Amino acid sequence: GAVVSQHPSWVICKSGTSVKIECRSLDFQATTMFWYRQFPKQSLMLMATSNEGSKATYEQGVEKDKFLINHASLTLSTLTVTSAHPEDSSFYICSAEGRGEKLFFGSGTQLSVL
Amino acid sequence: GENVEQHPSTLSVQEGDSAVIKCTYSDSASNYFPWYKQELGKRPQLIIDIRSNVGEKKDQRIAVTLNKTAKHFSLHITETQPEDSAVYFCAASKGGSYIPTFGRGTSLIVHP
Repeated sequence: GAVVSQHPSWVICKSGTSVKIECRSLDFQATTMFWYRQFPKQSLMLMATSNEGSKATYEQGVEKDKFLINHASLTLSTLTVTSAHPEDSSFYICSAEGRGEKLFFGSGTQLSVL
Repeated sequence: GENVEQHPSTLSVQEGDSAVIKCTYSDSASNYFPWYKQELGKRPQLIIDIRSNVGEKKDQRIAVTLNKTAKHFSLHITETQPEDSAVYFCAASKGGSYIPTFGRGTSLIVHP
């Protein structure tokens, strides 16, 4: 089956620093990947759609300069949280569309900003 | 845009009982309806899906039904087990560009 790898699984950083999260499709090519943010006991909030070779499409209310997305290849998308602050602490999760329109998720990244 | 409502938000059942989670959607153009199971701190896993040309689909203890006219679909879990305890999300999509809209999730608790 389709496997999506996400790293790191957790990260603790100081306020003001930047954090990069990687999302890789291991056994299939993904022209489109999605980035979500999930608060405890809440649903998946779509942040942006990442398209290989073009700019990401951000959802309303998501700051594109704060959440930088780069989809450099058909198997890799990265999310960089720039100048992180405590309110950015959250569970970030990526997904990629596999065969038959099925969506496969990465394992998620728990970000804690001190 | 699409709006997906999911109920209940919490469902508590005894082991062996059945559990039903219901979702409604607003966009009649939606044609793909997946269900995901997410255990605490883990990734959502696709457990079953249904397309609009089918009214029902079953996979062992799990089944999904779709009523296109009423724009609602449901997840049915029979003979529940403690390991079924998780948060379940429904979603609706129009396919193609595939940007699914998720429901708010249902926390299912199965008591042994």
